[in-house]
Amino acid sequence: EIQMTQSPSSLSASVGDRVTITCRTSRSVSSYLNWYQHKPGKAPKLLIYVASVLQSGVPSRFSGSGSGTDFTLTISGLQPEDSATYYCQQSYSTPPWAFGQGTKVEIK
Amino acid sequence: QVLLVQSGGEVKKPGASVKVSCMASGYTFTIYFMHWVRQAPGQGLEWMGVINPSGGSTTYAQNFQGRVTMTRDTSANTIYMELSDLGSEDTAVYYCARERGPNPHFDVWGQGTLVTVSS
Repeated sequence: EIQMTQSPSSLSASVGDRVTITCRTSRSVSSYLNWYQHKPGKAPKLLIYVASVLQSGVPSRFSGSGSGTDFTLTISGLQPEDSATYYCQQSYSTPPWAFGQGTKVEIK
Repeated sequence: QVLLVQSGGEVKKPGASVKVSCMASGYTFTIYFMHWVRQAPGQGLEWMGVINPSGGSTTYAQNFQGRVTMTRDTSANTIYMELSDLGSEDTAVYYCARERGPNPHFDVWGQGTLVTVSS
């Protein structure tokens, strides 16, 4: 079973900042890595799939990179509405469809 | 548009069962696998299992095997998740989600159903 490790677990940044979240998998998942945004009281929202493909309708300030075991979600120009928890998920070796433990992003 | 609409919140006593539904619209129901994911208070997202709406085959997460049953009604474009022998640790928001391939990801989610387990 592939383990997912996200870092940091939380961060606080200012509007306009560049924010980077890292996801590491216990073994290679090739590029089968997805990112989701989850706000309280709302359904999770797909941001990026296959490591770097932006889901339709997602702002271009979100980007993803990486392959193998190390992946990054970047928010270039943080906006107030980006306050949320972000999760990575591997879809290379399933089941299970494991999620990372989440990174909570707060706006200063 | 593509929508997943879940049933309303439930309050259950310990030891009881709960059945949550998820109705799909806006696409061909039998084409896409459907998953259930939950989030307990203060916790992250936890994958519970998947059902193939076409044939009804299922795969459950190890943590839930023996307690969870996922079914579907193709005439109603609806999937169901039943969780038995509820404990307080099952208090959570339960989500259904559609799997989109061939690079699998969950592209559409239901609004969530809060299940509260309390004596």
